[in-house]
Amino acid sequence: DTGVSQDPRHKITKRGQNVTFRCDPISEHNRLYWYRQTLGQGPEFLTYFQNEAQLEKSRLLSDRFSAERPKGSFSTLEIQRTEQGDSAMYLCASSLDAGASTDTQYFGPGTRLTVL
Amino acid sequence: AQSVTQLGSHVSVSEGALVLLRCNYSSSVPPYLFWYVQYPNQGLQLLLKYTSAATLVKGINGFEAEFKKSETSFHLTKPSAHMSDAAEYFCAVGDDKIIFGKGTRLHILP
Repeated sequence: DTGVSQDPRHKITKRGQNVTFRCDPISEHNRLYWYRQTLGQGPEFLTYFQNEAQLEKSRLLSDRFSAERPKGSFSTLEIQRTEQGDSAMYLCASSLDAGASTDTQYFGPGTRLTVL
Repeated sequence: AQSVTQLGSHVSVSEGALVLLRCNYSSSVPPYLFWYVQYPNQGLQLLLKYTSAATLVKGINGFEAEFKKSETSFHLTKPSAHMSDAAEYFCAVGDDKIIFGKGTRLHILP
């Protein structure tokens, strides 16, 4: 069990550029979650997948954001036309199957995005 | 809607003293409650979770939390603080998606 991994760990980009982050969940975990954490705040839920199906999207996820999990394994989060307000830590988590009441969400180290 | 409020963005305690981090929740349904810890440059780690089995929940590293429905609270405690406990602590509520509080940074004074 190697844990949840995220790539890259850090990304610096210029405003208006597109960026893509990758998350590899723990093997055999069916659920995958994306959160965003800004400085001095707790993580905020963005979206989650059950296998390849995206089950819920937060209103925080504007149309510039898109997440995929095409084969039910790794997931990507793309931000188009980045803005300075997108600067944050993007966290990925995975859990085995059911809701958090019974399954623990394991978090990755995050990808820190800085938009200049 | 569910939410949590953490009282105090920074808490300082002396090494060996009691740690008390406060959290109040709001939920229209029986809540599932969590405490997570975040060490510098590391991911979030689950300390403990409440899922209605028992009101006193024991977690890792000597931490525990007590669910009090009448007070809508889920405070985190540890009898004796260690220097290694210095970190950011998040109270959270939810099921499929987790709603986090703003966090409390715990400082341990030598």
